[in-house]
Amino acid sequence: NAGVTQTPKFQVLKTGQSMTLQCAQDMNHNSMYWYRQDPGMGLRLIYYSASEGTTDKGEVPNGYNVSRLNKREFSLRLESAAPSQTSVYFCASSPGGRLYTFGSGTRLTVV
Amino acid sequence: AQSVTQLDSQVPVFEEAPVELRCNYSSSVSVYLFWYVQYPNQGLQLLLKYLSGSTLVESINGFEAEFNKSQTSFHLRKPSVHISDTAEYFCAVSAPKDMRFGAGTRLTVKP
Repeated sequence: NAGVTQTPKFQVLKTGQSMTLQCAQDMNHNSMYWYRQDPGMGLRLIYYSASEGTTDKGEVPNGYNVSRLNKREFSLRLESAAPSQTSVYFCASSPGGRLYTFGSGTRLTVV
Repeated sequence: AQSVTQLDSQVPVFEEAPVELRCNYSSSVSVYLFWYVQYPNQGLQLLLKYLSGSTLVESINGFEAEFNKSQTSFHLRKPSVHISDTAEYFCAVSAPKDMRFGAGTRLTVKP
C-alpha cells in the first residue's frame, strides 16, 4: 500500500540549475498538492491540482511550475534554483475533500 | 480567510506528565480542524480530525482535542506522554481549496 510516493528523497542543486520533483499516488485521488516546509513557518501551499488537467497557484508559487501528467502524477519543477528554495517539499493527495495523505518529502538544498 | 495560530513553538515535558498543545483558528465559514504529527525525517500523519458532531475527538494513541467554537480553539491534550510522542505537531484548518497549517509545535518528551 504505497500511498503517495515522492522522488528523490534528497537533492543538492547549484544555484541556477533546474530539476523536477516527482509525485505519484495510487489511491485514485482527484486532488494533489505541493507544499514546502520551512522552520517556524509550517507548510505553505505552492501549487495544487483539484482534478486531472487543472492546476492553480497557492500561497508561494513564484519560481515553480507544475504539471498534472495524469490522475496519478503531479510534478513540481524548479527552472532556475535559488538558495531561497532550500526547503523540504511535500506532495499530498486527497479524494477532493479534507483528508490528505502526505508523501515522505524531498529535502532540497540549493547552494 | 482561514488561518491557524499555534501558540507554542516548543514544549518540553517529562515522561508520564500531561501535555497541552495550543491551537487557535480563524475562519469565516464552517470549520474542519485537524492535528497532524511529523516524526523526524518523515511526512505528516493525520492524528485526529474534527469534521462535525461531538466536539471532543480522540486518537488511537491517547491524544484528544476539543473543538471550542466560542474560543476558536482546538487544543491537543494527552494525560500522560511517552518518549515516543516526541515529534512536531501541526494544527490545520480546511480552506476552500486547500488546507492551512500552523507553524508547528515541537514536543520533546524527556526521561
